[in-house]
Amino acid sequence: AAGVIQSPRHLIKEKRETATLKCYPIPRHDTVYWYQQGPGQDPQFLISFYEKMQSDKGSIPDRFSAQQFSDYHSELNMSSLELGDSALYFCASSLGREAYEQYFGPGTRLTVT
Amino acid sequence: RKEVEQDPGPFNVPEGATVAFNCTYSNSASQSFFWYRQDCRKEPKLLMSVYSSGNEDGRFTAQLNRASQYISLLIRDSKLSDSATYLCVVANTDKLIFGTGTRLQVFP
Repeated sequence: AAGVIQSPRHLIKEKRETATLKCYPIPRHDTVYWYQQGPGQDPQFLISFYEKMQSDKGSIPDRFSAQQFSDYHSELNMSSLELGDSALYFCASSLGREAYEQYFGPGTRLTVT
Repeated sequence: RKEVEQDPGPFNVPEGATVAFNCTYSNSASQSFFWYRQDCRKEPKLLMSVYSSGNEDGRFTAQLNRASQYISLLIRDSKLSDSATYLCVVANTDKLIFGTGTRLQVFP
């Protein structure tokens, strides 16, 4: 069965650079979520989109923005990168809102040097 | 205090053992409950949803006690492949709130 696709899988950036992470949800899933998982920590919710509209917002820095496109894929844009942004970034998708079962992609490992 | 609390373990058990994990949550308005498993440096994978009536999927049984705000996971006949971190997850509206996870190591 098709799963959530994320690209790139690994990304190395320098401080103050920008990064764009992409997420392609499971076909027919209309809701996308972004999570950040730092080393040794549990995943933290950043932001979600339902039917191309922002649905909920968590601990997402102002330097980050995201959107969901007409084909339901989503992009997380990260600017003025800091060393502390180094983490695994997971995208998840679900059919419907309000935490119907969420399925996670393999993640993008971002390293900021 | 974290919104979802779990014993971090590790739980080291032999193959074939039965092991139980517990979890408590603080937000009584929480709506949905799940167990995920996560292998090292991989994505969380949905193991099962948890309902008040309890639910079972093969060797795995999950229970929810809303009054006590308590969730449990029982694994019977442990396999080596069960070795992973088990994440107790509570959902409020869109977002999932993760516990810190309980590490399980099954040995031969």
